[in-house]
Amino acid sequence: EAQVTQNPRYLITVTGKKLTVTCSQNMNHEYMSWYRQDPGLGLRQIYYSMNVEVTDKGDVPEGYKVSRKEKRNFPLILESPSPNQTSLYFCASSFSGYQETQYFGPGTRLLVL
Amino acid sequence: AQKVTQAQTEISVVEKEDVTLDCVYETRDTTYYLFWYKQPPSGELVFLIRRNSFDEQNEISGRYSWNFQKSTSSFNFTITASQVVDSAVYFCALSERDAGNNRKLIWGLGTSLAVNP
Repeated sequence: EAQVTQNPRYLITVTGKKLTVTCSQNMNHEYMSWYRQDPGLGLRQIYYSMNVEVTDKGDVPEGYKVSRKEKRNFPLILESPSPNQTSLYFCASSFSGYQETQYFGPGTRLLVL
Repeated sequence: AQKVTQAQTEISVVEKEDVTLDCVYETRDTTYYLFWYKQPPSGELVFLIRRNSFDEQNEISGRYSWNFQKSTSSFNFTITASQVVDSAVYFCALSERDAGNNRKLIWGLGTSLAVNP
């Protein structure tokens, strides 16, 4: 089944404790992206990657890191999480970019205490 | 100003009513793409439709239909005979190239639809 998977689905952590949210797609998509969703603010892009080893900042990259060492994986790293990073996070992928349909993972609910 | 405007923040209807969700966009690009996604209470984002700027034909998929009008820069979504399972937040999005010829995806803030039994 074609899908985007994210882990973990739910995470409660404390300020400053490094964490990684994994994202993997099995559709051989070149493009991958991370979003966060907050009430009243909609979906905001954190980082995106057009291909392996090619990543770029989105609209709200501060406090996040990403890497794209393999085509299928695009982990999101929070080196020192803070409470304002409490949010719902989505990973997405598409064949080649924004003109194509993006397929989303199930989301990761993160609470930073 | 919002480039993708979903003016209806919340809509509440009774089951079997028809409901239209509005999406108005703003772009100078000549080749752009429009999308609708559904986010049910469970939280996932489900793709509904993609439309390019050269295809103004309306689309129907079961109880769902989309009306694309370039003249008014609108891409409205209608649910006929709504059902409780249609309760969700619906997002409209626009893919366009910016002044630097970089393609971007711009999201509306969503319309929360509640279908009551």
